[in-house]
Amino acid sequence: AQSVTQPDIHITVSEGASLELRCNYSYGATPYLFWYVQSPGQGLQLLLKYFSGDTLVQGIKGFEAEFKRSQSSFNLRKPSVHWSDAAEYFCAGVAPGGGNKLTFGTGTQLKVEL
Amino acid sequence: GAVVSQHPSRVICKSGTSVKIECRSLDFQATTMFWYRQFPKQSLMLMATSNEGSKATYEQGVEKDKFLINHASLTLSTLTVTSAHPEDSSFYICSAIGRTPDTQYFGPGTRLTVL
Repeated sequence: AQSVTQPDIHITVSEGASLELRCNYSYGATPYLFWYVQSPGQGLQLLLKYFSGDTLVQGIKGFEAEFKRSQSSFNLRKPSVHWSDAAEYFCAGVAPGGGNKLTFGTGTQLKVEL
Repeated sequence: GAVVSQHPSRVICKSGTSVKIECRSLDFQATTMFWYRQFPKQSLMLMATSNEGSKATYEQGVEKDKFLINHASLTLSTLTVTSAHPEDSSFYICSAIGRTPDTQYFGPGTRLTVL
């Protein structure tokens, strides 16, 4: 079965520190992969996506993610976290030709300490 | 670009009434829209896929007579929660695909509270 796993439910980092949020996927073929961010009571904002090609993907707000086929991972990174980055982060995948149905991970709640 | 709106943002209703939620793509034509439900501190659960001019496709376990979806135009889909009950209280989020294939853009969500 297709799945996306986010092993960390909560992460706390200090403002200015680097950040890495983990995401692993399980698909028969390489899926399209996405990272979304959700602020409290809000919808989801697309941070970045990977379809093919360059495995290091740049997104908005200074985020990047690296697709690693050997590890079935698509981890999200940011070199220096800002207090405004505190939010819920969702990794999601779509099987190519799968009707655009997103499979979401369970989310990682990021807390930023000042 | 790729802005999706939802209306209302919050709604409180009495048990037994029906509530309609609108989802609009503001700057693109959405060939496909999706409706999700999100429980507190949980991930999103896909309820149904809506294509313009055709019947919605519901996920397993979602009552189609309970959650009526209409995708009447390329910029508007509506979700009607019929005969709402307290257990229908949730955060409902729509998304749309249009300009960029395979990429969903999400609305801000609607908080439904059924008393």
